Amino acid sequence: DAKTTQPPSMDCAEGRAANLPCNHSTISGNEYVYWYRQIHSQGPQYIIHGLKNNETNEMASLIITEDRKSSTLILPHATLRDTAVYYCIVTASNTGKLIFGQGTTLQVKP
Amino acid sequence: NAGVMQNPRHLVRRRGQEARLRCSPMKGHSHVYWYRQLPEEGLKFMVYLQKENIIDESGMPKERFSAEFPKEGPSILRIQQVVRGDSAAYFCASSPVRTAHDTEAFFGQGTRLTVV
Repeated sequence: DAKTTQPPSMDCAEGRAANLPCNHSTISGNEYVYWYRQIHSQGPQYIIHGLKNNETNEMASLIITEDRKSSTLILPHATLRDTAVYYCIVTASNTGKLIFGQGTTLQVKP
Repeated sequence: NAGVMQNPRHLVRRRGQEARLRCSPMKGHSHVYWYRQLPEEGLKFMVYLQKENIIDESGMPKERFSAEFPKEGPSILRIQQVVRGDSAAYFCASSPVRTAHDTEAFFGQGTRLTVV
């Protein structure tokens, strides 16, 4: 699985969009980009995933650059409950085996 | 539809005792994964099981740790002769059978093991 690089921490004002970047310059053609988050030591929660097209669901949007070397997770209207560690994971595996990095700690502030 | 159920949520063991952590996957899920999270660290994959089979145990410590997912009943992660370094949160995830990236893994709330 390709390695990912994320900033260790970010702040966001409540109600504003949170844009979390992820670099994955060595991604292969068959690897997907997954995002999970972990709120205060709870079990990780799936957010979204994609291959090359941008994706949107009820939680977030995923923007993948055309060369697929980086992506951005967008939480359109961050709330205090979105404070968590966000993990960007790149994998070709279609199982639930995931390789977690250090993630980005997002702090949403009032 | 209940989520992934792990029990106990908290477990305290003395050094040298055995710890048994249980995981009941979501209904209809036949794949189970165990992860360990040491204090202030990220999650580390340990083992991937299907019913009655270990598929990938590349993250399991070579000694004292074992896992099973029997035909009936929950998956069990067993740690023998626990040491203080085993103190961590252990998370279980499950997923259904799939042939493409059409679904995701669901995680339980974890078991927090403290070795005293």
